[in-house]
Amino acid sequence: GAVVSQHPSRVICKSGTSVKIECRSLDFQATTMFWYRQFPKQSLMLMATSNEGSKATYEQGVEKDKFLINHASLTLSTLTVTSAHPEDSSFYICSASSGQTLEQFFGDGTRLSIL
Amino acid sequence: GNSVTQMEGPVTLSEEAFLTINCTYTATGYPSLFWYVQYPGEGLQLLLKATKADDKGSNKGFEATYRKETTSFHLEKGSVQVSDSAVYFCALKRSAGGTSYGKLTFGQGTILTVHP
Repeated sequence: GAVVSQHPSRVICKSGTSVKIECRSLDFQATTMFWYRQFPKQSLMLMATSNEGSKATYEQGVEKDKFLINHASLTLSTLTVTSAHPEDSSFYICSASSGQTLEQFFGDGTRLSIL
Repeated sequence: GNSVTQMEGPVTLSEEAFLTINCTYTATGYPSLFWYVQYPGEGLQLLLKATKADDKGSNKGFEATYRKETTSFHLEKGSVQVSDSAVYFCALKRSAGGTSYGKLTFGQGTILTVHP
């Protein structure tokens, strides 16, 4: 299957800092990327859907000014958690697809810990 | 709206035991159904899928049959191994149209632990 690389795998930072997470499709062009958040022992919650070259579509309840998503190329999307606080600590996972009807390929996730 | 309900875990089995993880769904139209597996500290990997009623998805000894009449997609494996220990997610994706088009809706996940 296709490979999606997510970086960093783990980040620990102080409250108030901004953190950027990258999601790259290594061997295919991802027209659509999805960002999920996973709480301990819980399911994945879709945060937003981004299509290359256009603004991300956020799910209800997700603050778009808090979680900035950029999908500037067909192989890269970034999620920036701005002014992160301890409640933003979570496991963030991206997935990429070459079309909305096609399979989503998942990155290995980023464990974000805000002190 | 769309929803997926999975059998609550955790599930603990001995090696070579039979596995069933129940999954039922609610959706309009004809969704595609998926099982994903998540190993500790990793993202999700597609395990198997089925795109229409009566389809059977299979991979690595796991099977699931798309049952439209019971809106179910139960995961089964005849003989589990220690290496199957992971979290398993059932998911659906709408087939066409609407604001949820292309999005996956996940069940809550079932933790499977297999002991030697």
